[in-house]
Amino acid sequence: EDQVTQSPEALRLQEGESSSLNCSYTVSGLRGLFWYRQDPGKGPEFLFTLYSAGEEKEKERLKATLTKKESFLHITAPKPEDSATYLCAVQALYGGATNKLIFGTGTLLAVQP
Amino acid sequence: GAVVSQHPSRVICKSGTSVKIECRSLDFQATTMFWYRQFPKQSLMLMATSNEGSKATYEQGVEKDKFLINHASLTLSTLTVTSAHPEDSSFYICSASRSRRGNQPQHFGDGTRLSIL
Repeated sequence: EDQVTQSPEALRLQEGESSSLNCSYTVSGLRGLFWYRQDPGKGPEFLFTLYSAGEEKEKERLKATLTKKESFLHITAPKPEDSATYLCAVQALYGGATNKLIFGTGTLLAVQP
Repeated sequence: GAVVSQHPSRVICKSGTSVKIECRSLDFQATTMFWYRQFPKQSLMLMATSNEGSKATYEQGVEKDKFLINHASLTLSTLTVTSAHPEDSSFYICSASRSRRGNQPQHFGDGTRLSIL
């Protein structure tokens, strides 16, 4: 069964304290791995798509990397405005006819000033 | 670009009422739209996938007669929760994608908080 597991469930950082969030996945053929940010009471905001092992994407203080089993979201020198829930999702090859996503439960990040 | 608008943002109604939620892609054509449910501190659970002009594909365990989905145009999909009961209270979120196949990202609306009294 296709599955996505994120860790840790919650992470508290001091402003400027870099860290990484983990997304482990089991999928019958990976079409793409997606990172989203979700603020309370809002829908997820798209951050990155990664397609193949070894690929990296960057946006401001965020950098996403991908291996054959997991993805990391590295946060460099975070600021309080980076506080949010970060969601990881995979798109699997279900016979190639769909683009539905399987989501993890997210990591709740709190950055304190 | 890739803005998705969902309306209403919050609904409070009595048990037995039917509730319609709209999802619009404002600046792109959405070949495929998705409807999710999210419970507190839980992941997004896909309810159904909707392709423009076709019947929606429902996930296992989701009652198609309970959750009616219409995707009549490339910019609008609606979810109607029929005869809603307290157990239907949840956060409903839609998303839209430019592609029916392939690996285009989904872009999400801001969700609808449904509370059934």
